[in-house]
Amino acid sequence: DTGVSQDPRHKITKRGQNVTFRCDPISEHNRLYWYRQTLGQGPEFLTYFQNEAQLEKSRLLSDRFSAERPKGSFSTLEIQRTEQGDSAMYLCASSPSGIGEQYFGPGTRLTVT
Amino acid sequence: AQSVAQPEDQVNVAEGNPLTVKCTYSVSGNPYLFWYVQYPNRGLQFLLKYITGDNLVKGSYGFEAEFNKSQTSFHLKKPSALVSDSALYFCAVRDKPWTDKLIFGTGTRLQVFP
Repeated sequence: DTGVSQDPRHKITKRGQNVTFRCDPISEHNRLYWYRQTLGQGPEFLTYFQNEAQLEKSRLLSDRFSAERPKGSFSTLEIQRTEQGDSAMYLCASSPSGIGEQYFGPGTRLTVT
Repeated sequence: AQSVAQPEDQVNVAEGNPLTVKCTYSVSGNPYLFWYVQYPNRGLQFLLKYITGDNLVKGSYGFEAEFNKSQTSFHLKKPSALVSDSALYFCAVRDKPWTDKLIFGTGTRLQVFP
């Protein structure tokens, strides 16, 4: 399968702990996106990269959130000092260019207890 | 701010009947519009997009969408619904021409009954 992959698929953590998610985009896609989706809502933009450069970051993303794409391939999203409000599905997507559709991975479901 | 609205939380239709899932948008400038579908326990799948050109856009799985600038709408349609079309559908718009950021609607659950 050459689609977008995300790891882990599920994560349960205690409040205050740090978590890190990984996303592997479709090979040769230079753009990579992170979204967050809560129950009953559409995906909400977090940030995106072109190669290793982070081009935009949502104001909704607090300083507890950080994303990297160090070699322009896979990306990581880290949440420090997790809060219950961080519980959501974290979606990753990639695209070969900025004008077209984004291809989404299966998501990582985070539950903060 | 750019936005899309999906006025119906749920749409019910009988198999074989035509279906419409509604989306209206509010953007400054020319909109880049998308439809995605989300099946249970699966990621979002791209259906179709409108960037420019013909107002009737054809996409995957027999779906199409009509861009209507005067009504600021981009409704998703299919001539004959299948039970397997039952899923959550999201309309999205590109925030600004110079960004890849997509703004999604709240989604419409389509239920197709046999």
